[in-house]
Amino acid sequence: GNSVTQMEGPVTLSEEAFLTINCTYTATGYPSLFWYVQYPGEGLQLLLKATKADDKGSNKGFEATYRKETTSFHLEKGSVQVSDSAVYFCALKTGGTSYGKLTFGQGTILTVHP
Amino acid sequence: EADIYQTPRYLVIGTGKKITLECSQTMGHDKMYWYQQDPGMELHLIHYSYGVNSTEKGDLSSESTVSRIRTEHFPLTLESARPSHTSQYLCASSEETGLNSPLHFGNGTRLTVT
Repeated sequence: GNSVTQMEGPVTLSEEAFLTINCTYTATGYPSLFWYVQYPGEGLQLLLKATKADDKGSNKGFEATYRKETTSFHLEKGSVQVSDSAVYFCALKTGGTSYGKLTFGQGTILTVHP
Repeated sequence: EADIYQTPRYLVIGTGKKITLECSQTMGHDKMYWYQQDPGMELHLIHYSYGVNSTEKGDLSSESTVSRIRTEHFPLTLESARPSHTSQYLCASSEETGLNSPLHFGNGTRLTVT
């Protein structure tokens, strides 16, 4: 079956630090990959996505590259801000019996201090 | 911004009560989903629908039920609430089931059963 594994949190950084949140996956077929962000008290928002190998998704200074050879989709940002404090979820989508459904990682809490 | 609405935002209710969590979207999406988010933040798909009069059980067994009488409305019902049902419930929709189509989430209902 499909599964997504994210690095253990919480992650605590100072403002302007470099961020990496690791994500690896197991999937049948060729998945599309997503990063979602959940701010306190809110639902999930799509942050970025990549639909095929070597694609790079980017948004709001965040980037992630679809690496088929290492089955990874690590999230990076060069300089985090306090407003980036949130929970980040890596997710995948495949066809077949899981058609249309997202499989999520366990989430990583990010806290950014001034 | 995605137009998907969940009510109530917070609900505290006693054991044995019947409750309905409301979810509506104004985007005309055929595909709708309910996720349960546990205190550790992990997300589990409990129900989904690919259109009117279509409902399916998700990956996590749930005692809740859903209905889809209208495209825009996907309510979730618990006939007899128990403390084990305490969780956050997130509703989502998507334009299609294709691999590139992301899910749009509501802000969630946080349910506490005493």
